[in-house]
Amino acid sequence: QVPLQESGPGLVKPSQTLSLTCTVSGGSFSNGSYYWSWIRQFPGKGLEWIGHIYYSGRSYYKPSLTNRLTISVDTSKSQFFLKLNSVTAADTAIYYCARRSAYGHTDFWGQGTLVTVSS
Amino acid sequence: DIQMTQSPSTLSASVGDSVTITCRASQSVSSWLAWYQQKPGKAPKLLIYKASNLENGVPSRFSGSGSGTEFTLTITSLQPDDFATYYCQQYNAYSNTFGQGTKVEMK
Repeated sequence: QVPLQESGPGLVKPSQTLSLTCTVSGGSFSNGSYYWSWIRQFPGKGLEWIGHIYYSGRSYYKPSLTNRLTISVDTSKSQFFLKLNSVTAADTAIYYCARRSAYGHTDFWGQGTLVTVSS
Repeated sequence: DIQMTQSPSTLSASVGDSVTITCRASQSVSSWLAWYQQKPGKAPKLLIYKASNLENGVPSRFSGSGSGTEFTLTITSLQPDDFATYYCQQYNAYSNTFGQGTKVEMK
């Protein structure tokens, strides 16, 4: 098991920035085999990959989110971060942090955190 | 983006049945495909990776096959714990895409 835990505000106002932190336990964070992912699930169930990042900072983003998205890491704290700017109601979702295995599939997930965008 | 299409969207079955879910990719993903099970209020759980490899601890009644653009997940002898929603996911070096999900419900 690789415990991952999301944290951050559950309510964000439209046009503001959604900021989440994922804390990874278990010592694998700086293991060169893994990337660390953000995935969201919209109400009514669709899953959407947001992006993933290596411990070195190399990252890949969903193209349609690139202009609003920043994913970063702090290896000293075994944490990675999500910042999504200029949010709208369409960004309301459960946000999961997860581990991307060496093969590329997602093998461990956090429990998820609901973020609602509303005034 | 590579699009992933699952069918059916909903599947009604009974305990003991064998069920098959299909996932089609809009372009070849080779064998870079995974299957997940999700229950209400929980995160998805990995079942199968690289199209046909069973994740550790997953019962052998789950199996995956396919390559290129067409893949299947089969559950033989459906158990009460298997009623859930199933997702496929393609993954390459730069992106991931999920299918829209298949809900397996009790007939």
